[in-house]
Amino acid sequence: GAGVSQSPSNKVTEKGKDVELRCDPISGHTALYWYRQSLGQGLEFLIYFQGNSAPDKSGLPSDRFSAERTGGSVSTLTIQRTQQEDSAVYLCASSSYLNTEAFFGQGTRLTVV
Amino acid sequence: DAKTTQPPSMDCAEGRAANLPCNHSTISGNEYVYWYRQIHSQGPQYIIHGLKNNETNEMASLIITEDRKSSTLILPHATLRDTAVYYCIAASSSNDYKLSFGAGTTVTVRA
Repeated sequence: GAGVSQSPSNKVTEKGKDVELRCDPISGHTALYWYRQSLGQGLEFLIYFQGNSAPDKSGLPSDRFSAERTGGSVSTLTIQRTQQEDSAVYLCASSSYLNTEAFFGQGTRLTVV
Repeated sequence: DAKTTQPPSMDCAEGRAANLPCNHSTISGNEYVYWYRQIHSQGPQYIIHGLKNNETNEMASLIITEDRKSSTLILPHATLRDTAVYYCIAASSSNDYKLSFGAGTTVTVRA
């Protein structure tokens, strides 16, 4: 597709369950970012990938959070043993190596009940 | 990345120009000024960026002061669809993949 695609768009999960959030970046974009946005709050940087490597994991809130990217394309953000405070919109963005304009997906709204 | 300061909110009349200020007094020589906006319930949208020269595209104009300590985003003819949170970000060319979003300015365009 033409834009960044995220799935699912909405996810409701029970506390303690694991969830996987998927991001399909724009084709050819080497940089991929994950952010989260809690209700009424700003964007919190989580992690970014350059190709398949993640030079900066400093934003991951705990060791329950992990992310991977394969083939320089699709990325998965995994949250283990979800907690209610994990409820937020998780946003993915991508950009080309030389063009720093980042394109964002519409996000995955995660609700932990 | 240099910290930016923006007013928390501002109103603008439909059809008029909206001038959004941003202070970045600690910006370093290799940091660009980026503007994004986030319309309610959508992902952020890139607007424009610049280093030291003024920039214009189909969405907006970016005016950067000569000392680069502040800038202004200009929406030339605001419409109701421009109501959004506008973020000003300073990011270096070596670390510009970690865009740090602050609180932004909530712009409300009124009819």
